[in-house]
Amino acid sequence: QKEVEQDPGPLSVPEGAIVSLNCTYSNSAFQYFMWYRQYSRKGPELLMYTYSSGNKEDGRFTAQVDKSSKYISLFIRDSQPSDSATYLCAMTLLNSGGYQKVTFGTGTKLQVIP
Amino acid sequence: EPEVTQTPSHQVTQMGQEVILRCVPISNHLYFYWYRQILGQKVEFLVSFYNNEISEKSEIFDDQFSVERPDGSNFTLKIRSTKLEDSAMYFCATKGTSADTQYFGPGTRLTVL
Repeated sequence: QKEVEQDPGPLSVPEGAIVSLNCTYSNSAFQYFMWYRQYSRKGPELLMYTYSSGNKEDGRFTAQVDKSSKYISLFIRDSQPSDSATYLCAMTLLNSGGYQKVTFGTGTKLQVIP
Repeated sequence: EPEVTQTPSHQVTQMGQEVILRCVPISNHLYFYWYRQILGQKVEFLVSFYNNEISEKSEIFDDQFSVERPDGSNFTLKIRSTKLEDSAMYFCATKGTSADTQYFGPGTRLTVL
């Protein structure tokens, strides 16, 4: 079983739609959960991160973590063509040394059609 | 807003040659990382570096790879003898002591011919 599973898509939605992106994971030791956005041939850009189960909202974005189900989601409201990118879920545990190795999902390619 | 920078943006090299990829971390960040992404594949961890030593490395990070922070600012990844399969985007990431997350640079695209 892969540590982090993410549907690669592509996911195509009309402008203004609500987008739901999801990941599952197998390692219950993961403590931090992140969503990165990556444009073609660019570096991952941090969108949101959460530490605990529950919801976290930032503008049009809502991150949701369910540790009991090992499931995380990212919701995008009122999607815009500029949201078209690949969305990477990522997670990590913080070890005693303070450093962390981030484990990424494969990424979901999103296209928002005007 | 502070950001991680990487040079060069694109490096083309012949198989067997040495390459050095450079990263300038966000000021006052002390944890440094290298990741790579082969075209069409996921981002993979290579190595973490803290307090002038490697904290953790993946199985990808074999003897052909090395990292250092030669001048207290730049953070470098050296590949001693490049192979065709080293062709990928290489991302540097840095983290502060109080931050919980890593910030990524724009990447260096390495093409090995």
